[in-house]
Amino acid sequence: DAGITQSPRHKVTETGTPVTLRCHQTENHRYMYWYRQDPGHGLRLIHYSYGVKDTDKGEVSDGYSVSRSKTEDFLLTLESATSSQTSVYFCATGVRTEAFFGQGTRLTVV
Amino acid sequence: DQQVKQNSPSLSVQEGRISILNCDYTNSMFDYFLWYKKYPAEGPTFLISISSIKDKNEDGRFTVFLNKSAKHLSLHIVPSQPGDSAVYFCAASGNFGNEKLTFGTGTRLTIIP
Repeated sequence: DAGITQSPRHKVTETGTPVTLRCHQTENHRYMYWYRQDPGHGLRLIHYSYGVKDTDKGEVSDGYSVSRSKTEDFLLTLESATSSQTSVYFCATGVRTEAFFGQGTRLTVV
Repeated sequence: DQQVKQNSPSLSVQEGRISILNCDYTNSMFDYFLWYKKYPAEGPTFLISISSIKDKNEDGRFTVFLNKSAKHLSLHIVPSQPGDSAVYFCAASGNFGNEKLTFGTGTRLTIIP
């Protein structure tokens, strides 16, 4: 257990509203990631961070932004939520040979 | 462009038999491969991995085989147990200067008692 906490665990929000998901780690890992899981698509990388204030886009970054002001926290923001962003979101930390996942946030956009 | 593919969305296996989950990749620069197991309402958990310098890695009931020439890996579970029922994801990474993992679409394994 890598000590990764995601909050909230569940959220329902309306189309057009901003939403922020939080990931907190206690392992002092340099790398942190946000993935979304959708049926038929597996886990797709949204954004990742390789250090404080150092972030980069993943394969499905449109409509999402991230921030990392402290090593332990990585925030994912949906600026204006759309129904296509209904998904399960996972935060992960670690490196390419050993990555650990949080328990996920189920987000529903209505 | 799906660089890591799991072509079987689901698989059912009798308890006690062997489960074989397959994964194909297209990027020849991938040099490390991992398998994750996911139960409903939980995050994926690491199961087993293999470096491209090996062709087999074994951990208890789980063995991963890598065929680099075919760009194919497989996960063998012997014997299969009811607790193995889960979604299995394969993932790959390369020495690209970042630490990103690329995941497949997953295979739902159901073990039939």
